[in-house]
Amino acid sequence: NAGVTQTPKFQVLKTGQSMTLQCAQDMNHEYMSWYRQDPGMGLRLIHYSVGAGITDQGEVPNGYNVSRSTTEDFPLRLLSAAPSQTSVYFCASRGGPTGNQPQHFGDGTRLSIL
Amino acid sequence: AQSVTQLDSQVPVFEEAPVELRCNYSSSVSVYLFWYVQYPNQGLQLLLKYLSGSTLVKGINGFEAEFNKSQTSFHLRKPSVHISDTAEYFCAVRVDTGRRALTFGSGTRLQVQP
Repeated sequence: NAGVTQTPKFQVLKTGQSMTLQCAQDMNHEYMSWYRQDPGMGLRLIHYSVGAGITDQGEVPNGYNVSRSTTEDFPLRLLSAAPSQTSVYFCASRGGPTGNQPQHFGDGTRLSIL
Repeated sequence: AQSVTQLDSQVPVFEEAPVELRCNYSSSVSVYLFWYVQYPNQGLQLLLKYLSGSTLVKGINGFEAEFNKSQTSFHLRKPSVHISDTAEYFCAVRVDTGRRALTFGSGTRLQVQP
């Protein structure tokens, strides 16, 4: 069972570089989301999608872009990396339109911006 | 908007002792409540959830939580902890409107000592 797969697991970037964090799920879930985890702050929502072609902003969207061309994939793009974006990034998915479905999380991408 | 407060950032406890991790939330509408566990360098795994019905919810690994609407709390308990329970625990809430995204607390690190 693959579940939610994130790549890469680790990445080091220089300030100003761009990159894409990949996320794929094989559970045919409609709802997908990206969170960042910072010490003492829990997880904060960056962007989310309720289905292919539909995305929206979360709490901390600045500096990030997303797209959802297929149900399976939900990539997160950093346009011009900044040290403040050093974090652990988690992708999650869940099925169903209502809020009572549990989220399934990937193992995370640990990103350092120098 | 809803919010979650985890009152303890760290909880040290000896093996086989009982433990309670506290979680309080605020919301103007009904919520769904979740506890997740995160082992080192891994993603989040669902421990248990409260959707409706009985206020005492049992989860995996011997954990349970009690929903208290009047006190807006959802404390996590285990009667006897093991070394393997050492991890970070996150309380989260979700409402069935708007983004339907999880709002996380800042986390509690449970450190089980021999």
